Amino acid sequence: DTGVSQNPRHKITKRGQNVTFRCDPISEHNRLYWYRQTLGQGPEFLTYFQNEAQLEKSRLLSDRFSAERPKGSFSTLEIQRTEQGDSAMYLCASSLGGPGAGYEQYFGPGTRLTVT
Amino acid sequence: AQTVTQSQPEMSVQEAETVTLSCTYDTSENNYYLFWYKQPPSRQMILVIRQEAYKQQNATENRFSVNFQKAAKSFSLKISDSQLGDTAMYFCAFMKLYSGNTGKLIFGQGTTLQVKP
Repeated sequence: DTGVSQNPRHKITKRGQNVTFRCDPISEHNRLYWYRQTLGQGPEFLTYFQNEAQLEKSRLLSDRFSAERPKGSFSTLEIQRTEQGDSAMYLCASSLGGPGAGYEQYFGPGTRLTVT
Repeated sequence: AQTVTQSQPEMSVQEAETVTLSCTYDTSENNYYLFWYKQPPSRQMILVIRQEAYKQQNATENRFSVNFQKAAKSFSLKISDSQLGDTAMYFCAFMKLYSGNTGKLIFGQGTTLQVKP
């Protein structure tokens, strides 16, 4: 088990461009989360998947953001028409849900987005 | 809505000494989990310790222990025998429990801890 991986680790883009991030969770984990963390702050919840179903989205997730988890495996987070305010670290986490699960989330290393 | 507050932006401690990080939270829920996560510089976040709200006994994991005061909605982390590797940002997090819950975490602002040799 290699843990949660995220790619790319760093992304620099110009305002107005589209970007896509990928998260590969721990293989047996059915729950997947995306969070956004700005410098010096705690992560903020963006969205949640159980298997392939996106079951919750934060109000932080504007229409420019879309996330998918095809076949309940990896997930992608796309930001369209990026703005400077989108600059942040985007964290992915996975966990094993269900009875008896510990609800512990395992985090990836994050993708740092810089919008110039 | 739930909120988590960490009132100490930065703390420092000498190696081998003990330090306590504070966390308070606000919720009307009765069933929830509380967590402390550690985020070392440029490294990924890892779970330090977990407390179930229904348990009166404070959780302990080696040098890490918590003081959970449910009525006061307080959840502090004590690190004993501090080591240089404990230098990191520490986040307190809340997760409410209910049937069909998503398990999303609500984080505090974090406390940066520096352990000095």
